[in-house]
Amino acid sequence: EAGVAQSPRYKIIEKRQSVAFWCNPISGHATLYWYQQILGQGPKLLIQFQNNGVVDDSQLPKDRFSAERLKGVDSTLKIQPAKLEDSAVYLCASSLGTGIPRELFFGEGSRLTVL
Amino acid sequence: AQSVTQLGSHVSVSEGALVLLRCNYSSSVPPYLFWYVQYPNQGLQLLLKYTTGATLVKGINGFEAEFKKSETSFHLTKPSAHMSDAAEYFCAVPYNFNKFYFGSGTKLNVKP
Repeated sequence: EAGVAQSPRYKIIEKRQSVAFWCNPISGHATLYWYQQILGQGPKLLIQFQNNGVVDDSQLPKDRFSAERLKGVDSTLKIQPAKLEDSAVYLCASSLGTGIPRELFFGEGSRLTVL
Repeated sequence: AQSVTQLGSHVSVSEGALVLLRCNYSSSVPPYLFWYVQYPNQGLQLLLKYTTGATLVKGINGFEAEFKKSETSFHLTKPSAHMSDAAEYFCAVPYNFNKFYFGSGTKLNVKP
């Protein structure tokens, strides 16, 4: 069974530029998460989707971050314009979803460096 | 507010020694509890989880954790550390609608 796929693995941009990350979850997983992991910290939830609807985006900086999950499968996370403090690893995770808490399956992450 | 606390951002043990990584959570309801491991440049992978039933949970690679409701703790242990255990370990608790909160992580260093 294929795991969670993310791309690109690494991205270097200058501040005020834009960047997009892509995630393909495990087939059949209804819930998809985007986490931000800053060096030395634990993952912080940015947004949670259930199928193609948003369950929680309370910690997503909406003035610069946006995310979508069209057709309830793939998802993209965009940052525009980027700031220095956005340097982090962006992790995508998926799970079977509703009901009792299910294991999250993580991708390898997309490491963003903002110069 | 819900929170997950991991005491000790770095733990160093000798190969063959006991590993103890601490996790405390805040919750007013019986929780589900997870430990994840992250190797360098990789995503997180599940080590073990507590849902219901037996409070001592066994996971992969010889790790286990015990849920203690009275102490709101879910500490991770391994009787004998191996060099391959060097990684970062995260405790996680799902709250409303499967929203997972992660602790700040503990980096385990294993000395030969």
